[in-house]
Amino acid sequence: KAGVTQTPRYLIKTRGQQVTLSCSPISGHRSVSWYQQTPGQGLQFLFEYFSETQRNKGNFPGRFSGRQFSNSRSEMNVSTLELGDSALYLCASSSSGVYGYTFGSGTRLTVV
Amino acid sequence: AQTVTQSQPEMSVQEAETVTLSCTYDTSESDYYLFWYKQPPSRQMILVIRQEAYKQQNATENRFSVNFQKAAKSFSLKISDSQLGDAAMYFCAYFANNNDMRFGAGTRLTVKP
Repeated sequence: KAGVTQTPRYLIKTRGQQVTLSCSPISGHRSVSWYQQTPGQGLQFLFEYFSETQRNKGNFPGRFSGRQFSNSRSEMNVSTLELGDSALYLCASSSSGVYGYTFGSGTRLTVV
Repeated sequence: AQTVTQSQPEMSVQEAETVTLSCTYDTSESDYYLFWYKQPPSRQMILVIRQEAYKQQNATENRFSVNFQKAAKSFSLKISDSQLGDAAMYFCAYFANNNDMRFGAGTRLTVKP
């Protein structure tokens, strides 16, 4: 059974640019959650999508957005990148959070 | 709001010894789920163990076990017979009511040979 796949693994962008990250969940999982991980802030919740609808949202500015497709694959987009957006972005999928999440290996975004 | 607190930023254990990582949480819910995740340098978060709040019996998975104290809102992880491969960041997490999963700040575990 394939795991959660995140692409790309590494990304370097310039301040002011925009970026799109992709996440393919485990087959059959309809929930996809995104987290930002930084050394100082730990894991911060961005948003969760369930059956193409945003079900939960964290406290991030509107520059951070996401979507989910009918095959449950999800993308997150960050517009007008800032240096502080440099982080590891983790995607997690689940059939239900009561069973726990399965995480991808993350995308390391560096903004220069 | 539900919060998860891990008060030990770093812990160290000798190989083959036992170590306990602490976690407390704050909630007004009666039905919820608690987890411990491991994040090795490869950075992929791996589920170590899961506890259902309505079950009094402490969960165990091989060398990993928890001490779940519902009244005290405490959920510690015990690693027995520590191995070099156990070295990682460990995160405690809380989930309830289809809200987002809340994570603690993590504990970095070092295993000394």
